[in-house]
Amino acid sequence: QVQLVESGGGLVQPGGSLRLSCAVSGVSFADSIMSWIRQAPGKGLEWIAYISSSATTIYYADSVKGRFTISRDNANNSLFLQMSSLRADDTAIYYCARESGYGFGSTFDSWGQGALVTVSS
Amino acid sequence: DIQMTQSPSSLSASAGDRVTMTCRASQSISRYLNWYQQKPGKAPKLLIYASSDLQRGVPSRFSGSGSGTDFTLTISSLQPEDVATYYCQQSYSPFLTFGGGTKVEIK
Repeated sequence: QVQLVESGGGLVQPGGSLRLSCAVSGVSFADSIMSWIRQAPGKGLEWIAYISSSATTIYYADSVKGRFTISRDNANNSLFLQMSSLRADDTAIYYCARESGYGFGSTFDSWGQGALVTVSS
Repeated sequence: DIQMTQSPSSLSASAGDRVTMTCRASQSISRYLNWYQQKPGKAPKLLIYASSDLQRGVPSRFSGSGSGTDFTLTISSLQPEDVATYYCQQSYSPFLTFGGGTKVEIK
């Protein structure tokens, strides 16, 4: 079955950088459209970045635009999120999520377990 | 961005009750509306897509309806395992947005 496993989370100081990875298995990653979605402690879900299967189309939420970069390595079935200029309000669990391909916009039927990023001095 | 507003923010009902929650979009999104269930400490799980289509493996007691700006998620007979927070998400715009969630508890 489809499996998504995030890694790279941890504690980082304000202004610092961190790179998250998401390893995907059980499905053709090269055909998969992916996003990163985060959830601050005790809060709701926030979509932050989207990348098409060939990386030709990328979107960011305003809250992370210019600071975060989404990328992928189709040869190694991996998705990445490079985060820089981190702020306290970036503290959250970060999920990678794969679109279902149902053809009704972005619908996520597969999620990772999440990676906790804590921004604090 | 399209704003998604869910109500109520929380509800408490007895097992076996019919439960309904709503999601309103700030502009028309046709049927580009998905519902997710999130249990504490777990990743969200897709329940309903395209407003009313049941995801494979999801119990038939869950149903969705609506189009345009107003949507509803109904649990026909609340079960203890349905205790969770439910989120709507619009997929009309590539800049995806979620509602604030409805937390469902058992009395």
